[in-house]
Amino acid sequence: GAVVSQHPSWVICKSGTSVKIECRSLDFQATTMFWYRQFPKQSLMLMATSNEGSKATYEQGVEKDKFLINHASLTLSTLTVTSAHPEDSSFYICSVGADEQFFGPGTRLTVL
Amino acid sequence: AQSVTQPDIHITVSEGASLELRCNYSYGATPYLFWYVQSPGQGLQLLLKYFSGDTLVQGIKGFEAEFKRSQSSFNLRKPSVHWSDAAEYFCAVGAPGDYKLSFGAGTTVTVRA
Repeated sequence: GAVVSQHPSWVICKSGTSVKIECRSLDFQATTMFWYRQFPKQSLMLMATSNEGSKATYEQGVEKDKFLINHASLTLSTLTVTSAHPEDSSFYICSVGADEQFFGPGTRLTVL
Repeated sequence: AQSVTQPDIHITVSEGASLELRCNYSYGATPYLFWYVQSPGQGLQLLLKYFSGDTLVQGIKGFEAEFKRSQSSFNLRKPSVHWSDAAEYFCAVGAPGDYKLSFGAGTTVTVRA
C-alpha cells in the first residue's frame, strides 16, 4: 500500500496565527488527497478533497477561506489553518489512494 | 449519501475472550466497507476491507468481518483478544469509485487482564 507522511506530527500555536500542515504521498501518484479532522474522542469527519492542479472541494460547513488547501504536485498537499482559534485544535489526518485509502499518521494541532 | 452506525461506544472484554464489534451502514447499493484501528494519538491502520465476493473477510491480527446485505451490517470479530487489542475501532463505508469515506463514531475496546 501507499506510504503517507505528515509534517509536523504536532504543533502548538497562538490564537490568530496560521499553521501549515503537509501531507506527502511517498510512493503513490495522488491526483486526489483527502483531509479529515478528528476532535478528541470523536470520529473522523471529512473536511475536503484536495485536487492536484485545481481547487479543493470542501464539505458542507467547512470554511474554505479558513482551511486553505494547496495540491501543487502528485505527492504533496498542504492544509493551512488561517487565523487559528482554540476551537480549531484537533487531529488532522490526510489520506491518499483509490478504493482503498491509506492514511497519514496525523497532525495534532493545539491552538492556545 | 452513505452513513455508518456503530451502536457500541465502549466495550470491555477479558483477555482471551471473544470480541464482536457491530457496524451498520446505510447505502443504496453494495458499498465498500472497512474496519480501521487507531491507538491513542496515532493514525489509522486498516484491519480489513470488503469490496465484493466472499462475504466473510479475513484481516490482520486475527480479525475477521462478515458482510450481511440483508442486515446492512459488517460486524468485526476476533476469537481471542490480546491486551494489545485495546484501541479505538472505526467502521467506514465508501461508494465504489468515490474514494471518500464516511466513518462511524467508533468503539473503544478495553481489555482487562
